[in-house]
Formats: sequence, C-alpha cells, structure tokens
Amino acid sequence: AQKVTQAQTEISVVEKEDVTLDCVYETRDTTYYLFWYKQPPSGELVFLIRRNSFDEQNEISGRYSWNFQKSTSSFNFTITASQVVDSAVYFCALSGNGSGTYKYIFGTGTRLKVLA
Amino acid sequence: DSGVTQTPKHLITATGQRVTLRCSPRSGDLSVYWYQQSLDQGLQFLIHYYNGEERAKGNILERFSAQQFPDLHSELNLSSLELGDSALYFCASSHTMGQMDYGYTFGSGTRLTVV
Repeated sequence: AQKVTQAQTEISVVEKEDVTLDCVYETRDTTYYLFWYKQPPSGELVFLIRRNSFDEQNEISGRYSWNFQKSTSSFNFTITASQVVDSAVYFCALSGNGSGTYKYIFGTGTRLKVLA
Repeated sequence: DSGVTQTPKHLITATGQRVTLRCSPRSGDLSVYWYQQSLDQGLQFLIHYYNGEERAKGNILERFSAQQFPDLHSELNLSSLELGDSALYFCASSHTMGQMDYGYTFGSGTRLTVV
C-alpha cells in the first residue's frame, strides 16, 4: 500500500527563520513520483516541485530546496529565510502506477505559520 | 489561471439534495481526476477518467458518480447529500494516463457546503 506521512501538523516560525517540512513515504512501486503542493488560505493547490524515483538530486529554487533520500524514503522541503507570504498548508504527495492509475496519495499536510 | 476550470466555485445546498460539479480540463488533456478535501479525511482521490472511460476508483461513495463526456469535460454528481459531504472538491487534468508530463494541473476547486 502507498502512504505519505507528514508528522508535523503545524509549525510556527518567525520571519527570516529557516524551516524544514518533513515527508516520509511508503510504496512498493519501482517507478514513482513525489510532489509538494502549497495551499494558501484562498484554497487552491499550487504546484511546487515534482521528483521521480530515479532522480535523487537535491533541488534548489530560490528560497526553496528539496532533499530526496530513497534510503530513508523521505522527501523533505526547506524554506530558507521564511516570509509571511509562505504561510500556508503544504502537502507532500506520492504517485505511482502500481494500481494502474497515477492517482495521488496525499499526506495530511503541514500548516506553516510565519510570524512577522 | 491553471487552464483547468471548475464550476461553480461555491455551492450551498440542503441535506438530501443533489448537485453537479463541472470540470473542464486543460486543452489537450485526456485524463481527469477528482479529489475531495474534507476536514476529517484530508485530500482523497475519488475517481479517474481517461478519454471518456473510467480508469480507477478511490474512496468514492455510492451516492457519488462521475462521467467524462466526448468533449472531455467531466461532471461529478453528488446525491442524497449529507452534512459530511461538505468539502472542497478538486478536479485535475493531465495529458496522458501516466506521468510523462509534469504531473497534474489542478483546478481551483468547488467549495460545497451542505446545510
């Protein structure tokens, strides 16, 4: 069975602090994809990153960085120098073709509050 | 604008009623996925259609049904509504059945409130 665990329900930081959001996944698929989405208070799901199971390179995009480690089944997300606009719920998701469809399995989300 | 259009954006209805949520996928996308986001269940996969055919079902109640039409738009029908059906319903589209592109494009969602 596929599963995504985001153990951190809510995190509060002060602006300019760095923060890491944890994501641990379980899958038996050999090919799978991992995603991070941001859900601001307005409700839409904003795509942040996609990573496939064959690409373990870390990625940096501006203040965002992602650390994918297959050995620990983790795909963690770090925001450097956090800003108030980063306040949102962040979802990690897993997608594989083990069941014949590329449905997403979402984690329960981490609510990030960045205080001014 | 993501290119995936969901209507209506908000819907308030009474228990026992039936509603239809509509999704127009991004131009050229053949796959449509429906997800439900509720406070107690989180974001859950409901159903997947590819080029008019149902491909997979998730945690979709029997009171719910969906279809994808020849023009590729999709509708999610919710009947005998209960208070617990109040949720944000997302539609997502992708070009293929698989993940050969950059994943899904999500619509902005329909917020359903059952009173």
